[in-house]
Amino acid sequence: GQQVMQIPQYQHVQEGEDFTTYCNSSTTLSNIQWYKQRPGGHPVFLIQLVKSGEVKKQKRLTFQFGEAKKNSSLHITATQTTDVGTYFCAGKGGATNKLIFGTGTLLAVQP
Amino acid sequence: NAGVTQTPKFQVLKTGQSMTLQCAQDMNHEYMSWYRQDPGMGLRLIHYSVGAGITDQGEVPNGYNVSRSTTEDFPLRLLSAAPSQTSVYFCASSLQGALGYTFGSGTRLTVV
Repeated sequence: GQQVMQIPQYQHVQEGEDFTTYCNSSTTLSNIQWYKQRPGGHPVFLIQLVKSGEVKKQKRLTFQFGEAKKNSSLHITATQTTDVGTYFCAGKGGATNKLIFGTGTLLAVQP
Repeated sequence: NAGVTQTPKFQVLKTGQSMTLQCAQDMNHEYMSWYRQDPGMGLRLIHYSVGAGITDQGEVPNGYNVSRSTTEDFPLRLLSAAPSQTSVYFCASSLQGALGYTFGSGTRLTVV
């Protein structure tokens, strides 16, 4: 079945440093979504990418969808303590309606 | 507009007991899903529904049943609880399958 992996599992940065998490799917995706989960909270939808090679920005966050629609990345510029949490990618493969989540990347930011 | 409401927030069960986790949304969303979250394993899809009367299995459906008699409600039934079902359960909904999901605040279940 469809599998979605993320690397790294954990990243510790100093405040102000950049951060990137990578998402790789075993199958071609129809779209990719990104979520953020604060410690003790629930996942919150950030953005969706649909087109091959698509790039979207939200303030300091940049999201990319790979040309082959099998990988994606999230880059945060100049991290802040408010960026702390686990970032998940999630995708749907082909005609399925199943939204499969990646394993997540836990970001810790030291002030 | 309450969004996605899950009850209860916490539950302790004995092995072999059954129970139903409730999920309701008031946004007229067609798509609803149940996920479980375990440390280091991300969110795994249990069951999902694309509309009233339609349900399908996710990645880890064994030991769980669902039904979708109305657009608003999507209960998850544990038939005979096992310690391996100790987890945090999230219900989520989406207006359409191609849009982002809104998650409930979760149910923390412990099976002893």
